[in-house]
Parts: sequence; C-alpha cells; structure tokens
Amino acid sequence: DQQVKQNSPSLSVQEGRISILNCDYTNSMFDYFLWYKKYPAEGPTFLISISSIKDKNEDGRFTVFLNKSAKHLSLHIVPSQPGDSAVYFCAAQGNTGNQFYFGTGTSLTVIP
Amino acid sequence: GAGVSQSPSNKVTEKGKDVELRCDPISGHTALYWYRQSLGQGLEFLIYFQGNSAPDKSGLPSDRFSAERTGGSVSTLTIQRTQQEDSAVYLCASSSLLRGGGAFFGQGTRLTVV
Repeated sequence: DQQVKQNSPSLSVQEGRISILNCDYTNSMFDYFLWYKKYPAEGPTFLISISSIKDKNEDGRFTVFLNKSAKHLSLHIVPSQPGDSAVYFCAAQGNTGNQFYFGTGTSLTVIP
Repeated sequence: GAGVSQSPSNKVTEKGKDVELRCDPISGHTALYWYRQSLGQGLEFLIYFQGNSAPDKSGLPSDRFSAERTGGSVSTLTIQRTQQEDSAVYLCASSSLLRGGGAFFGQGTRLTVV
C-alpha cells in the first residue's frame, strides 16, 4: 500500500516560471517530510525537509509547504532553471522509526 | 570518499545465479538503508540497519534476499537464485540520527538478470 503518493508523473515548465510539485500521504504518524532530486544514473540527492510542526520551509529557490489537515505537501521552485530538470521524489519519515517512505516521483522538465 | 559508495555500478547476471551488492556508507552514519527502483517505479524499501539493533527486514520481497552489515559500516545485499523480476537499480543510503536531515544515497547498482 503506497503511503506516499505523487499523482503527477511528469511536469513541464518554462524557464523562469514557478514549478509546483505535489505529494499526498496517508499516515498521520509521519513527522518529517523530505524532497529528493534524482538525475539519470545517479542516486537521489536530498533537497529540503520540513518537520510536521511547521507549515513552510524555505531554502533559496526551493520552498516546501505542508498542509497536515489535508495530508498534502508541495515543493515550489522559483524561478525554475533548466538544471532543475530531474525526477523529484517526495519522502516521509515516521515517528516510530527512521525508515523513509518514497513516492513514485515526478519528472520535471524546465524548458529554456 | 565523502559520499556513499556502491559497487559494482552495473551487474549483468544469468537467471539462477547469486549476486552480492556492496555499500560503503558515509563514515559515522549509524543508519543504513537499501532501496530498489524498478523501471517506472518509485523507491521500494528493502531493509534498514540502525547501529547494533536488529535490522528492519520488512521490505525484503522474498527469502532469496538477505543483507548484512559488518562492524556497523559496510553492508552487503545478497540475492540468491536471481530472477528476471529482480532486475532493478539497487540504491544504498546512510544517515545520521538527526531527524529530518535526510539520507544520502549512493549512485546505485544497476542489476540486469538475463
């Protein structure tokens, strides 16, 4: 049973515009949420995380928003750059252990 | 090196053979994870080691899969009697105990069973 879901397998955005990647989860016991970026033939790279006690965390061009009541989080990238083109994975970590639960990923293409 | 290292980077094996995949985590990281990504799929959890605690093996898909971590550092994932459905990229990651700090992944081992 997929506890973390990314319903959009792909997204295309013009350079300079905002990219919004979405993620939904089902387990209310998750207390940390993370975003990873993956280029082909490489392992995922940690981007940004957010604790369940917050609703927003910002790091440069990347901002993650958490809506606990909706069990939804999103990653905003602004302005988008061609180098941001990659697969983005949403992940969650439960408060009873350190296992990470990953979504299926969203492939972002930023068009120059 | 400073990152998580996996070997081999690619492995082609015949159906029915055993394979061993190796992971060298970041020094000092007490947690080590194995995931796999099949074509078009997300990251599937396999096994998790934390310090000297018993590993969480709940993600291993069958008893053909096993893993060990020696001395709290290097880990080996073994797949016995490989099947074609085992073909995937096997990813190892390590992390500290810092919650929300994320796990750091190696580049993966691409396993192809022919």
